[in-house]
Amino acid sequence: DGGITQSPKYLFRKEGQNVTLSCEQNLNHDAMYWYRQDPGQGLRLIYYSQIVNDFQKGDIAEGYSVSREKKESFPLTVTSAQKNPTAFYLCASTRGAGPDEQFFGPGTRLTVL
Amino acid sequence: DQQVKQNSPSLSVQEGRISILNCDYTNSMFDYFLWYKKYPAEGPTFLISISSIKDKNEDGRFTVFLNKSAKHLSLHIVPSQPGDSAVYFCAARAFNFNKFYFGSGTKLNVKP
Repeated sequence: DGGITQSPKYLFRKEGQNVTLSCEQNLNHDAMYWYRQDPGQGLRLIYYSQIVNDFQKGDIAEGYSVSREKKESFPLTVTSAQKNPTAFYLCASTRGAGPDEQFFGPGTRLTVL
Repeated sequence: DQQVKQNSPSLSVQEGRISILNCDYTNSMFDYFLWYKKYPAEGPTFLISISSIKDKNEDGRFTVFLNKSAKHLSLHIVPSQPGDSAVYFCAARAFNFNKFYFGSGTKLNVKP
């Protein structure tokens, strides 16, 4: 089955620790995205990547970092510089250019204690 | 600067009636619009989309209408079912630019 996997589903970390969220897709999609959702709010774009070894900042990139070494993988690191890291994180992908919907993973709930 | 807005945070509808969810946008470069459905603690799932060259797209119980002059789109669900209860997000993308802008969502409650 093709799709996007995010692991783990729930993640707990102590304040001041960096943490990396995994996102893998087997859809052969070129573009991948990371969003953050806070309670009662919409999806805010953190980073996106349109091709391997290239990525762009979204609207709320401060305190986050990404890499895109492989087409199928787009991990997100939440650093200690992120002031309010507790949130629901969603990874998505699209085929690339042209009208096409985004496919989303199941999300990771990160709680920083 | 929110380029896609959903001004109704919630909507309650009786089962069998029509649900109408609204969305407004500000960027005239947007050429592709989408609606997603989301349950708590899950990823959004794609529902229906519309290109800016059309003003209506229908898929079963779901119809999306686009009014370009008003920069407004709406999602109609007929008839509404209790299983439709979820948060609905509208999204937009600018021509040839692979970045999506999402509204803040509308929570739909369909009462049996």
